[in-house]
Amino acid sequence: AQKVTQAQTEISVVEKEDVTLDCVYETRDTTYYLFWYKQPPSGELVFLIRRNSFDEQNEISGRYSWNFQKSTSSFNFTITASQVVDSAVYFCALSERYSEKLVFGKGMKLTVNP
Amino acid sequence: EPEVTQTPSHQVTQMGQEVILRCVPISNHLYFYWYRQILGQKVEFLVSFYNNEISEKSEIFDDQFSVERPDGSNFTLKIRSTKLEDSAMYFCASSGRDTSTDTQYFGPGTRLTVL
Repeated sequence: AQKVTQAQTEISVVEKEDVTLDCVYETRDTTYYLFWYKQPPSGELVFLIRRNSFDEQNEISGRYSWNFQKSTSSFNFTITASQVVDSAVYFCALSERYSEKLVFGKGMKLTVNP
Repeated sequence: EPEVTQTPSHQVTQMGQEVILRCVPISNHLYFYWYRQILGQKVEFLVSFYNNEISEKSEIFDDQFSVERPDGSNFTLKIRSTKLEDSAMYFCASSGRDTSTDTQYFGPGTRLTVL
């Protein structure tokens, strides 16, 4: 069965601090897809990144970076030099090859204080 | 940039009433989804829809729920007889032209309040 665990429920940092959001997943499938979504206070779900199970290359996009490690079933997300606009709930999600559903973690609320 | 839209943004209804939540998916997408998020909780899958039929559904999606694509652009979720526990944010999503494993893009959500 699919499962996504985001052990941290809430983090508060001061602007310009780096912060890492942890995500651990469980799946029996050998082909799967991992995602991060951002939910700002306005409520919408904003797609950030997708990773396929066969592509363990880490990715950097501006202040955002993602570390995918199959050996530990983790897909962690780091925000460098955090800004107030990064304040949101961040969800990690997983889908399997022959299933159309996304399974979400419980989310992690990040508050960046000025 | 194309986006998923949803109406209304907020719906208030009395318990036992029927509600229809509407979504306009991204125009060239073929797979459509509904998810819900009870306040403060995680996002949960309800149903996926492809080629005018349900392709996958969760245990939450029982007989009181139905989905429809009444025309070439809209995708609706109907709740026949609302319960207090149906109060939640309902998100529509759409994906891909090729496979159901393409990235799902979400609409802004409809907040349903059942009194």
